[in-house]
Amino acid sequence: DAKTTQPTSMDCAEGRAANLPCNHSTISGNEYVYWYRQIHSQGPQYIIHGLKNNETNEMASLIITEDRKSSTLILPHATLRDTAVYYCIVSFNSGGYQKVTFGTGTKLQVIP
Amino acid sequence: DVKVTQSSRYLVKRTGEKVFLECVQDMDHENMFWYRQDPGLGLRLIYFSYDVKMKEKGDIPEGYSVSREKKERFSLILESASTNQTSMYLCASSFPLGQSSYNEQFFGPGTRLTVL
Repeated sequence: DAKTTQPTSMDCAEGRAANLPCNHSTISGNEYVYWYRQIHSQGPQYIIHGLKNNETNEMASLIITEDRKSSTLILPHATLRDTAVYYCIVSFNSGGYQKVTFGTGTKLQVIP
Repeated sequence: DVKVTQSSRYLVKRTGEKVFLECVQDMDHENMFWYRQDPGLGLRLIYFSYDVKMKEKGDIPEGYSVSREKKERFSLILESASTNQTSMYLCASSFPLGQSSYNEQFFGPGTRLTVL
């Protein structure tokens, strides 16, 4: 099982870009990188995913290094509502279907 | 709007009671999951189901069982609740890998269970 390593916590000023790093050095070729976030008292919410190429959607951008051993989630203009725990996950197949294992994530605090 | 609902947001039970946690999804997803979330430990997978009446153990199945009689409903059962099962329980659902290039999971709001 590929594992991920994330910093425990980070602060970001409101309106600035938040860059959340993740290491996944044991990722294998067919495994995706996913990011979810969990706002207090809610269930986790999907943000973005990628395999090899950088990805962007309305919520965030995902930058994956060429060797795929690490990635960065970018929230381009952080708001107070982006305060949450962010989980970096590498999916793996188990018997033909995927399981995802959530670690402890990075607690992002957006500061006014 | 896609939805995963859980029967209770908060639940208090006594040691030894049988506890049922219910989860319903309206997205016609084949896969459904039960996780528990504890401080410092992240989310841990208890059980998942990839079809009606099918189930697989996750990382921490001990003390739990599950039931999936209908596609939209996945129940987590604590046969004899213990204090170490006090936790936040999260249900999720998703399409299987074959129908999608990725495996986004949709989560319910969670049930905070306290066992006294």
